[in-house]
Amino acid sequence: DGGITQSPKYLFRKEGQNVTLSCEQNLNHDAMYWYRQDPGQGLRLIYYSQIVNDFQKGDIAEGYSVSREKKESFPLTVTSAQKNPTAFYLCASSRTDDSNQPQHFGDGTRLSIL
Amino acid sequence: DQQVKQNSPSLSVQEGRISILNCDYTNSMFDYFLWYKKYPAEGPTFLISISSIKDKNEDGRFTVFLNKSAKHLSLHIVPSQPGDSAVYFCAASGITGGGNKLTFGTGTQLKVEL
Repeated sequence: DGGITQSPKYLFRKEGQNVTLSCEQNLNHDAMYWYRQDPGQGLRLIYYSQIVNDFQKGDIAEGYSVSREKKESFPLTVTSAQKNPTAFYLCASSRTDDSNQPQHFGDGTRLSIL
Repeated sequence: DQQVKQNSPSLSVQEGRISILNCDYTNSMFDYFLWYKKYPAEGPTFLISISSIKDKNEDGRFTVFLNKSAKHLSLHIVPSQPGDSAVYFCAASGITGGGNKLTFGTGTQLKVEL
């Protein structure tokens, strides 16, 4: 089955700790994205990657970092610099970064602060 | 500054009737508009899209209408079914140089009642 897998589904972070959220896709898509959703709000773009070994900041990149060493993987690290990390994090991919390509989403990781 | 707005946080419709979900945008440079459906604790699922050069796109029970002069789009679902109960997000892409970055509205919770 082709798709996007995010893990873990739930994650807890202690104050001052970095945590990494996993996102893997087997759709052979070039572009990948990370979004954050807060209650009552739409999805906001954190980082995106148009191709392997390349990524750009989205609208709310502060306190986050990413890497794109392999086509199928785009992990997101929530650093201790992110002061309000509690949210639902969604990873997506699209065949290319052309605007006519719909993005396909994983089922998300819910991050909470202990 | 919210570039994509969904002003109705919720909508209730009877089974078999038409559901109309609305979305407004402010940036005339968007060139694709998309609708996503989201169930709780899951990622959004792509439903239907429309290019800015079209005014209507239809796929089964789902039709999207675009009124560029009013910067308004709507999603019609007919007939509505109980399984359509979900949060619907409007999104826009294609600002020059922005690639496939999506800008989302805040969502409308649709409830289809028996």
